[in-house]
Amino acid sequence: GENVEQHPSTLSVQEGDSAVIKCTYSDSASNYFPWYKQELGKRPQLIIDIRSNVGEKKDQRIAVTLNKTAKHFSLHITETQPEDSAVYFCAASGRGDYKLSFGAGTTVTVRA
Amino acid sequence: DGGITQSPKYLFRKEGQNVTLSCEQNLNHDAMYWYRQDPGQGLRLIYYSQIVNDFQKGDIAEGYSVSREKKESFPLTVTSAQKNPTAFYLCASSIPPVGGRLREQFFGPGTRLTVL
Repeated sequence: GENVEQHPSTLSVQEGDSAVIKCTYSDSASNYFPWYKQELGKRPQLIIDIRSNVGEKKDQRIAVTLNKTAKHFSLHITETQPEDSAVYFCAASGRGDYKLSFGAGTTVTVRA
Repeated sequence: DGGITQSPKYLFRKEGQNVTLSCEQNLNHDAMYWYRQDPGQGLRLIYYSQIVNDFQKGDIAEGYSVSREKKESFPLTVTSAQKNPTAFYLCASSIPPVGGRLREQFFGPGTRLTVL
């Protein structure tokens, strides 16, 4: 089955700086890569996703890049704000597969 | 955030007891999922259901059971066979893959189960 590894496990950044989280996956057939944000005590929520036919996707301060050859994808948050403090999970899924395989999560802390 | 609910929010169980966690959605989603969340381990899939009266084991199904008698409901039973059941349990739902393309999963607020 799919194995997703996520790094780093914790990340502390100064407000206004950028944050980058990286994930690798094992199944070359995977074609869907969502990122979820989970604030303390709340449910995970989708913040951005990318499919294998696209190399990069942006949504305001958030961007995701995908390198299919190397089987890794990354989340980039620019101009970080205190409300960006949360746990971020990457995930991967194969074509026609109902299942998502999640990374272990990255706890991001934005220092004021 | 509305549309998918879980109850109770907190649940305490004595060792050797079975306990059932509720998950209900009014999003008209065919697919529903149960995940277990432990610190530092992300979300691990327990069971999932693509359609009513059908479900499949996920990566950590041992000690758990589910049913899917109604589209709106996907209860999870944690049995006494689950050796380490203390965890945060999340339910999710989604529309089925379209053209082989998986769609967003919407999560419930979770149930925190503690075994005493």
